[in-house]
Amino acid sequence: GESVGLHLPTLSVQEGDNSIINCAYSNSASDYFIWYKQESGKGPQFIIDIRSNMDKRQGQRVTVLLNKTVKHLSLQIAATQPGDSAVYFCAEESGGSYIPTFGRGTSLIVHP
Amino acid sequence: DVKVTQSSRYLVKRTGEKVFLECVQDMDHENMFWYRQDPGLGLRLIYFSYDVKMKEKGDIPEGYSVSREKKERFSLILESASTNQTSMYLCASSPPSSGFDNEQFFGPGTRLTVL
Repeated sequence: GESVGLHLPTLSVQEGDNSIINCAYSNSASDYFIWYKQESGKGPQFIIDIRSNMDKRQGQRVTVLLNKTVKHLSLQIAATQPGDSAVYFCAEESGGSYIPTFGRGTSLIVHP
Repeated sequence: DVKVTQSSRYLVKRTGEKVFLECVQDMDHENMFWYRQDPGLGLRLIYFSYDVKMKEKGDIPEGYSVSREKKERFSLILESASTNQTSMYLCASSPPSSGFDNEQFFGPGTRLTVL
């Protein structure tokens, strides 16, 4: 989702549900994408990444989907747990650069 | 366990003071970064360094400088702190770009308040 003003988009889910967090990226030349999780009071932490020659990559309970046609990235979290509550950022890189461009983030709230 | 550490979690300074934020990584990474994070604006890159004594401006370098005298240490300097530099400052490091797992490793952040 896109942020409005100073407020992060927020996704509220019940424990056990599946969560989908979306990200629209801007640079059609981007070829590497990363999802980070930032818990309250901590720095961002890597979750999963994907390169542009793939459209899906799976990790433990997480799946990243890439749609290059519409420049859209999503993070799916299966069986969401209260510990998944955090702000999630997507980041994009292009041309072998190690300088990512971060999205504004989405706040995920998981209700027990 | 890999680590990026920052010298302070919380810092309160007065307008006009010179402020040093220190970052140390133990992963022998070439690349190091300083970001600031403000509500609704995400992470904005201030400066980065791809080697000892090398530095490059990021998106918002004004009012900041950096120093990298040793590979493991990257310092952010606010020459004369101003209230609009009140923010969360995040340091990160990464290895040279290659394939997957090219992620950045972040420190816990320093919340700086300038009065």
